[in-house]
Formats: sequence, structure tokens, C-alpha cells
Amino acid sequence: SQKIEQNSEALNIQEGKTATLTCNYTNYSPAYLQWYRQDPGRGPVFLLLIRENEKEKRKERLKVTFDTTLKQSLFHITASQPADSATYLCALGGATNKLIFGTGTLLAVQP
Amino acid sequence: EAGVTQSPTHLIKTRGQQATLRCSPISGHTSVYWYQQALGLGLQFLLWYDEGEERNRGNFPPRFSGRQFPNYSSELNVNALELEDSALYLCASSLTGVGANQPQHFGDGTRLSIL
Repeated sequence: SQKIEQNSEALNIQEGKTATLTCNYTNYSPAYLQWYRQDPGRGPVFLLLIRENEKEKRKERLKVTFDTTLKQSLFHITASQPADSATYLCALGGATNKLIFGTGTLLAVQP
Repeated sequence: EAGVTQSPTHLIKTRGQQATLRCSPISGHTSVYWYQQALGLGLQFLLWYDEGEERNRGNFPPRFSGRQFPNYSSELNVNALELEDSALYLCASSLTGVGANQPQHFGDGTRLSIL
């Protein structure tokens, strides 16, 4: 069955450093991949979408890569700030529009 | 622009009762999705509605059902509630189109608690 794995441990980094989160998947060929941020008690907030024919996408301090050969996406936050602390979710999508979510990585940025 | 709105914010029911959750999509969005997020688990896809039709359904029993109205708002109904139905129910909306690769935008959910 389809499986998505994100950094299983919480990620702690110092303010100003680059945070790198990973999303690996098996038994699936997604047409696109989305990254979300979720704060406690809130719904996920859409950050970036990258399609299978795209290698990299950027938005301000955020960068996403998508390697369909390795079946992996990397999500980078440069110049991280304490306000970036949250759970980050990756989600795979295809023709059915059903998103398959990973369990998320908890990012903590220390001042 | 108003985001996806869900009501109620919290809902408390007892086993065997029925629950109705409501969702209003972003203006201009015709697709509505429902997800369940149980404590400690990832988001699980429940249902997708587009242009009033059910387009896809996740691995949930038939007591989970819903509908989409002509104004594109949606309702999720859960019958014969069980304790394990306690979860955050999230609604998302997107522009239309099968495989359109459109981002899904989420509301803040309804917290359903079963006593």
C-alpha cells in the first residue's frame, strides 16, 4: 500500500539556520506534491505545490524539490525564525484529487 | 477573501447519535473535500464533491456520508457514532477539475467528541 514517511523525530534548529524536512514515499506515483503548515488546533495552511515534471519551486524563504526517481521531496526554510515553529505536512496527489498525507514533522526554531 | 469556514467549531455527542458538520468553500471553488484527523494520526481522506456529485470516497464505512449543495457548500453526516469517531474533521476546497493539480485550502475544522 502507499506509504509516506516524514522526519520521524522533531527537528530543532537555531534561528537563522536553514531547516530541511524530508518526505519519502513508496508504492505511489503522484502527479503532484503539496506542503502544508499546521499549528495546534488549526487546519493545515497551504504553502507550496510542485508537479511531477518540476524539479524545484520557490516562494520567498521556502524551497521545495521533487525527485520522482528517488521518490523524495525536500522542503527547505532558509533564515528560519521562531515563528516558523509548527508541524509541516507533505501530501501526495493524483488524478483522483485525494491527498495522501504524511504524519508530519514538528519543527522547533530556537531563538 | 474569506477562507474555508466550518461549523460548528466543537460538537459533543454520545454513542449512537448522528452528527452533521458544515463547510463553506472559498468563493469560486467548486470542489470540496472532507478529511478526518484523529489524535496522533495523519489526515485521512473521507470524501470529495465537485459540482454537486460525489467524485471519490476514502476507506470509511457507509455511515459517513455527505452532500454538496448548489451553492457549493457541503455537509458531512456521521450516523451511529462510535467512540473512535472522535477526531478533528477538516474541510478543504479547491478550484474544480479532476487531476487539475489545484492546491486544497483547509478550514480550521470541527472537533467532534463522542462520549
